[in-house]
Amino acid sequence: AQTVTQSQPEMSVQEAETVTLSCTYDTSESNYYLFWYKQPPSRQMILVIRQEAYKQQNATENRFSVNFQKAAKSFSLKISDSQLGDTAMYFCAFLRLQGAQKLVFGQGTRLTINP
Amino acid sequence: EPEVTQTPSHQVTQMGQEVILRCVPISNHLYFYWYRQILGQKVEFLVSFYNNEISEKSEIFDDQFSVERPDGSNFTLKIRSTKLEDSAMYFCASSPRFQPQHFGDGTRLSIL
Repeated sequence: AQTVTQSQPEMSVQEAETVTLSCTYDTSESNYYLFWYKQPPSRQMILVIRQEAYKQQNATENRFSVNFQKAAKSFSLKISDSQLGDTAMYFCAFLRLQGAQKLVFGQGTRLTINP
Repeated sequence: EPEVTQTPSHQVTQMGQEVILRCVPISNHLYFYWYRQILGQKVEFLVSFYNNEISEKSEIFDDQFSVERPDGSNFTLKIRSTKLEDSAMYFCASSPRFQPQHFGDGTRLSIL
């Protein structure tokens, strides 16, 4: 079974700083997707960024980028020039490509951006 | 942009009662899911649905739960004889194959 671990329950940075959220996962599969979802206080689940395991190039979406280390099974999220609106819970998630394609989530990191 | 729609946004129910949570997935998506998030905890998979049948379910999804796609647009989660521990946020999601899942805004279920 796949597991996803986020070792940082909470993080706090000043506005405009860069912050990196950590995620590690465990799987025996070679092909899969990884995602970061953002959950603001409204509790919606918003897709931030995705990474296909077969791609060596790290994904980027504006101020958000990932550092995907397949051999180490590590998938960290970097937020550059952080903004107050980035304050949220961030969940790392694993999607296998066999069977029912269920998402497996980590425990989440509560990120607070301070003015 | 198409969205997954969930109703109601908040449901309050007496313990022991039945509740139906409703979802309208994105119209061209083929895979449908229900997830649960107990307050302060991570999001947990409940069930996936494809081609009008359950494709996988978690150990949480016991006989108390059922899912149905009664017509071409709705996807429902029924919880029979609700318990206090069923209080949670319930998310519906849908996706095409091998694509990110799009989540609805969730239904907050409160069992009294």
